[in-house]
Amino acid sequence: NAGVTQTPKFQVLKTGQSMTLQCAQDMNHNSMYWYRQDPGMGLRLIYYSASEGTTDKGEVPNGYNVSRLNKREFSLRLESAAPSQTSVYFCASSPPNPPLHFGNGTRLTVT
Amino acid sequence: QKEVEQNSGPLSVPEGAIASLNCTYSDRGSQSFFWYRQYSGKSPELIMSIYSNGDKEDGRFTAQLNKASQYVSLLIRDSQPSDSATYLCAVNESGGFKTIFGAGTRLFVKA
Repeated sequence: NAGVTQTPKFQVLKTGQSMTLQCAQDMNHNSMYWYRQDPGMGLRLIYYSASEGTTDKGEVPNGYNVSRLNKREFSLRLESAAPSQTSVYFCASSPPNPPLHFGNGTRLTVT
Repeated sequence: QKEVEQNSGPLSVPEGAIASLNCTYSDRGSQSFFWYRQYSGKSPELIMSIYSNGDKEDGRFTAQLNKASQYVSLLIRDSQPSDSATYLCAVNESGGFKTIFGAGTRLFVKA
């Protein structure tokens, strides 16, 4: 029972490079979310998708784009990475409403 | 900006004692409240949900909600060293899908 799967687990980028973080859930959940977690700041919502075909901005969307590819998959793209985007990124899903089920996270370092 | 406030700690308690974790929130219309536990380097995991005023008990954990005071708490009875973790308070935004997290309280249980 995989739950929420994120790839990659670790990534190092140079400033200006782009990358896509992948997330997939096998729980038939409607809603999916991307959070970032920085020391002392808790989890901050980047983007969310309440249902397949819809996406909305969260608290800190600048510098990111998302795609809800289908009901299972929700990807996060950094078009031009900046050191301020160094963080741990968590994908989560919910039935439609919380509580959230989290993936194992992606540790991203931008140099 | 809707907020969830927690004391960052660390909160240190001896093994067998009661640990009390507190949280306040700003969105008066919120109806759903959660406590997540996060071990170092791991993803958050749900330990308690509470939706109505009063107490909700689950094993050694008791969540308390007071909507009039906009206050949520978590009590951990008979604390164990394995309870040492960061505890995140989370509040579902009224009328929406967004979950807002506090910065977390670090708990240390001393053997």
